[in-house]
Amino acid sequence: GGIITQTPKFLIGQEGQKLTLKCQQNFNHDTMYWYRQDSGKGLRLIYYSITENDLQKGDLSEGYDASREKKSSFSLTVTSAQKNEMAVFLCASSIGQGAGNTLYFGEGSRLIVV
Amino acid sequence: GDSVTQTEGPVTVSESESLIINCTYSATSIAYPNLFWYVRYPGEGLQLLLKVITAGQKGSSRGFEATYNKETTSFHLQKASVQESDSAVYYCALGDSGGSNAKLTFGKGTKLSVKS
Repeated sequence: GGIITQTPKFLIGQEGQKLTLKCQQNFNHDTMYWYRQDSGKGLRLIYYSITENDLQKGDLSEGYDASREKKSSFSLTVTSAQKNEMAVFLCASSIGQGAGNTLYFGEGSRLIVV
Repeated sequence: GDSVTQTEGPVTVSESESLIINCTYSATSIAYPNLFWYVRYPGEGLQLLLKVITAGQKGSSRGFEATYNKETTSFHLQKASVQESDSAVYYCALGDSGGSNAKLTFGKGTKLSVKS
């Protein structure tokens, strides 16, 4: 089996600050995803990547950048943190991007903006 | 657009009681929906509980069952006798069999607490 590790578990920053979340997977999966989960809402896709150095925008990409420099890692940057985007960010991976491929998730990182 | 509506939580049941968490979907842009239940146990990441890709079929895992009903556009999650270890948050999700995981639509999640 494999594991997805997200760091940090809690990311505290000031309004307007640039903040970065990291995700590592050892499944050797091609596709990786970043989701945002707000309290009482479903998961919404921010960015995904189908292979190393590839980036694809999701429904919620505005205000975020992403980077996939290695197959095993996928980072997400909040370009200017705002208090209304305090949420839990979930990283996931799958062997391929097709809908039949199971998603494997990390435990999540909570963003706190002060 | 596509959407998923599930039982609003939190839901509390006693151990050994039966459980049903409702899930209905609207697949306006998907010709062949796939349906999933994901679960998040305390302290763990979301994981797939079960999936069904063909209408009329039933999926099962860990004592849970869900039947893909195309007529009622539903995919309710049921268990005959819950245990305390089933306490978790359950998410229904809708996918496109011919499409990408990037188009998965998740419900808001239903928090289940099982009392001993």
